[in-house]
Amino acid sequence: EAQVTQNPRYLITVTGKKLTVTCSQNMNHEYMSWYRQDPGLGLRQIYYSMNVEVTDKGDVPEGYKVSRKEKRNFPLILESPSPNQTSLYFCASSFQPTGKAFFGQGTRLTVV
Amino acid sequence: EDQVTQSPEALRLQEGESSSLNCSYTVSGLRGLFWYRQDPGKGPEFLFTLYSAGEEKEKERLKATLTKKESFLHITAPKPEDSATYLCAVPANAGGTSYGKLTFGQGTILTVHP
Repeated sequence: EAQVTQNPRYLITVTGKKLTVTCSQNMNHEYMSWYRQDPGLGLRQIYYSMNVEVTDKGDVPEGYKVSRKEKRNFPLILESPSPNQTSLYFCASSFQPTGKAFFGQGTRLTVV
Repeated sequence: EDQVTQSPEALRLQEGESSSLNCSYTVSGLRGLFWYRQDPGKGPEFLFTLYSAGEEKEKERLKATLTKKESFLHITAPKPEDSATYLCAVPANAGGTSYGKLTFGQGTILTVHP
């Protein structure tokens, strides 16, 4: 089954404690992307990756890092989380930016 | 800067009452416009891609259309199971440096009452 898998689904953490949200896809997609979704602001792109070792900033990259060492994985790293990063996060993949995207089920992050 | 604006923010319909959702965009060199459906607590699910003005696509009670400035998602005789948030999105201009950027609208929350 074609899918994008994010872990964890829910996470509560404290300010400053480094965390990683994993994202894996099984469709051999080249393009992967991370979004955050906040009430009233919609989905905003954090980072995207066109292929292995190729990443670039989206609209809201501050406070986040990503890496793409393997085609299937695209982890999102928060090295020093702050309360304003409390949000619902989605990972997505597709063959290209103009193609049909598959989204993960989301990670609800709370930073206290 | 690419912009995508959806209206209305929320729409309440009675079952069977047809209506339309609007997505206005400003991007030079449109490479496509996407429609997604999102149910509460879940990731968006792909509905349609439109690539050029005049194009139309249909799926069950939904029909998406595209002009040079906006797209419409027409919902014919909706049912309660059509209740969801509908999102549209456009990729960045192909001639720019941010080839992989994707801009979403804020979404329209559709509620269909029985």
